[in-house]
Amino acid sequence: DARVTQTPRHKVTEMGQEVTMRCQPILGHNTVFWYRQTMMQGLELLAYFRNRAPLDDSGMPKDRFSAEMPDATLATLKIQPSEPRDSAVYFCASGLGSQEAFFGQGTRLTVV
Amino acid sequence: GQNIDQPTEMTATEGAIVQINCTYQTSGFNGLFWYQQHAGEAPTFLSYNVLDGLEEKGRFSSFLSRSKGYSYLLLKELQMKDSASYLCAVRDMRRDDKIIFGKGTRLHILP
Repeated sequence: DARVTQTPRHKVTEMGQEVTMRCQPILGHNTVFWYRQTMMQGLELLAYFRNRAPLDDSGMPKDRFSAEMPDATLATLKIQPSEPRDSAVYFCASGLGSQEAFFGQGTRLTVV
Repeated sequence: GQNIDQPTEMTATEGAIVQINCTYQTSGFNGLFWYQQHAGEAPTFLSYNVLDGLEEKGRFSSFLSRSKGYSYLLLKELQMKDSASYLCAVRDMRRDDKIIFGKGTRLHILP
């Protein structure tokens, strides 16, 4: 059945290390969102792609975060260098046009 | 910019009805979504409203008033499995149709 797939599901890393999170959107979907969820802030939009083109990454700290879609089946979110305050659950979601977004299971990141 | 407000927590009793409100301010409203999120899981889609009125889907209904910037999610015949967070989200056409979420309402169901 169609679903958004995220890897890894869990990641523990040391401060200063590079972290790469991957997302496979549902086949045929043309929009991809990256969100970060914490207890304090809820779901924050980090980056947004349509037809693989980045439309908005204003919610993302540019100095350490980067988001790309090398092809239609892969979206990546990279943090370099990682910091303890980046600890959160990172969700990828995909959609088609103006329809609802479907979420992946998330990557739980812990930076120590 | 966008402001999406919903209560932080609510409590209701099994079998009862509960209404979760959401108010929003956005420059280019293009639809409102409700999602359900159980602890430790991903958000799942519940409903979508873009025109004024009530959309009913089984035990769940969602209402929208665009002029008031207001929506509610109505849950009937509450079950214990409805204990979850309920997230209101708005699509903004003046910001490339991106979807912005409120902080969610944690709903506790008591037996």
